[in-house]
Amino acid sequence: EDQVTQSPEALRLQEGESSSLNCSYTVSGLRGLFWYRQDPGKGPEFLFTLYSAGEEKEKERLKATLTKKESFLHITAPKPEDSATYLCAALNTGNQFYFGTGTSLTVIP
Amino acid sequence: DSGVTQTPKHLITATGQRVTLRCSPRSGDLSVYWYQQSLDQGLQFLIQYYNGEERAKGNILERFSAQQFPDLHSELNLSSLELGDSALYFCASSAAVWQETQYFGPGTRLLVL
Repeated sequence: EDQVTQSPEALRLQEGESSSLNCSYTVSGLRGLFWYRQDPGKGPEFLFTLYSAGEEKEKERLKATLTKKESFLHITAPKPEDSATYLCAALNTGNQFYFGTGTSLTVIP
Repeated sequence: DSGVTQTPKHLITATGQRVTLRCSPRSGDLSVYWYQQSLDQGLQFLIQYYNGEERAKGNILERFSAQQFPDLHSELNLSSLELGDSALYFCASSAAVWQETQYFGPGTRLLVL
């Protein structure tokens, strides 16, 4: 069964303390791995799409990487405004989207 | 602001009733996706339309149906509502038929009493 698992469920960081969020996936033919940011009460905001193992993408303090079994979202020197829930999703060759339950990130000033 | 609009923002109804949620995609986007987000199950993909035609189906119940109109807006119809249907319903849109960058709307919060 295709599924996506994210860890940890929640993460508290001091401002400037770098860390990584994990997304493990099991899908029948990965077409793309997506990262989103979601603020409370709002719709997810697209961050990155990764297509193949070894691919990396960066945006400001965020960097996403992909292997054949998992993806990481690295957060370098986070700021309080980076506090949000980060979701990852996998799209399989059957055009089915599977979302993880997210990692809730809190960055403390 | 993603450019995707959803109405209504909030909806309160009773079990057994039927409701319609509306979504207008970003200008120029041909694909529309519907998702359900509940506290216990996270974000679940329901269905995708591209230029008026159904392209992909996820965990959509038989009591739910959707369509995309010629002007590209979409409606999600939920019938015979149950307490467990209470959730946030998101619409997203993208330019292409493949699920590239999706832009999410603000959601409709449905409460079934």
